[in-house]
Amino acid sequence: DAKTTQPTSMDCAEGRAANLPCNHSTISGNEYVYWYRQIHSQGPQYIIHGLKNNETNEMASLIITEDRKSSTLILPHATLRDTAVYYCIVRVAQGSARQLTFGSGTQLTVLP
Amino acid sequence: KAGVTQTPRYLIKTRGQQVTLSCSPISGHRSVSWYQQTPGQGLQFLFEYFSETQRNKGNFPGRFSGRQFSNSRSEMNVSTLELGDSALYLCASSLGTAEAFFGQGTRLTVV
Repeated sequence: DAKTTQPTSMDCAEGRAANLPCNHSTISGNEYVYWYRQIHSQGPQYIIHGLKNNETNEMASLIITEDRKSSTLILPHATLRDTAVYYCIVRVAQGSARQLTFGSGTQLTVLP
Repeated sequence: KAGVTQTPRYLIKTRGQQVTLSCSPISGHRSVSWYQQTPGQGLQFLFEYFSETQRNKGNFPGRFSGRQFSNSRSEMNVSTLELGDSALYLCASSLGTAEAFFGQGTRLTVV
């Protein structure tokens, strides 16, 4: 699976958009970008994933650059409950090895 | 639809003992994976089971083992516990893709 690089930490004001970047310059053509988050002491929560088109769901939007070497997770109106560690993971969607390789992630702190 | 259920939520064991943790996946999910999370090493993959067969294993010693039953429920066992085994153990279920659903975890403390 491709390696990812994320900032260690970010702050965001409550009600504003939180934009979390992720670099994955070695991504392969069949690899997807997945985002998970982990609120303190809870299990990770799946947020969204995409291959090359931008994706949106009820939680967030995922913007993937045209060359697919980087992406941005957008939380449109951050709330205090969005404070968590956000993990960007790049891997194939299916295959014999289905483990997720979590890096250090980005600690997002939403400030009141 | 019920989520992934892990039991127990908290556990305290003594060095040298063994422990068994349980995971009930989301109904219909046949893939169950286990992860260990520690402050120093982060989230690390232990193993994955699919239809009662271990399909993949992380880099952990043989003291860590698991199994899956015909109803997809899974257990993991750690024998001869060491202080370093203190961690949050997480179970995740999926339909076989990387979109996984995690339980709340079992917090194991070895004293």
